[in-house]
Amino acid sequence: RKEVEQDPGPFNVPEGATVAFNCTYSNSASQSFFWYRQDCRKEPKLLMSVYSSGNEDGRFTAQLNRASQYISLLIRDSKLSDSATYLCVVNKEDKLVFGAGTILRVKS
Amino acid sequence: SQTIHQWPATLVQPVGSPLSLECTVEGTSNPNLYWYRQAAGRGLQLLFYSIGIDQISSEVPQNLSASRPQDRQFILSSKKLLLSDSGFYLCAWMSRNTGELFFGEGSRLTVL
Repeated sequence: RKEVEQDPGPFNVPEGATVAFNCTYSNSASQSFFWYRQDCRKEPKLLMSVYSSGNEDGRFTAQLNRASQYISLLIRDSKLSDSATYLCVVNKEDKLVFGAGTILRVKS
Repeated sequence: SQTIHQWPATLVQPVGSPLSLECTVEGTSNPNLYWYRQAAGRGLQLLFYSIGIDQISSEVPQNLSASRPQDRQFILSSKKLLLSDSGFYLCAWMSRNTGELFFGEGSRLTVL
């Protein structure tokens, strides 16, 4: 089993749609969780950290379910500029383990 | 503010040739440093990480090595490249406050 698993997609959605990504992780001792965004042929950049109580940043909402060991990312009112690969990331002993990513394509 | 740079940005190398990728961090001291590789269409694979000068851990057996001769310098090397070494190499440092990773711009290596 992979340490961090994501649906690779692609998710093809129209502008304005709401889209949700899920991610599962295998190490129950993980303490920190993140969503990163990666544009084509670029380095990953932090989108948001994921807190136990859930957190929101504008159109983006991240949630953590420790009991089920999954993390989610919800994007509301999708924009063309949201098209990218979204990486689920879990901390394991001072090392970040990355999922393979979920591709999102927002179309007009 | 902290910045991270790596170079070169792009490399095309023949099989069997050596490799050296360099990464430097500014604006922080004693950072945890990391080398990741991303093969085409794949996720990021951790290759090496370092918690201090000359303290390097390897995550997977491979054809590569890493060195940290100075606090904010991290170098990825190979004596003889293989075709399978092709990929996008990313250097990163970790913020101890937040646990976030900050990446350099990446080095795209093609081995022919």
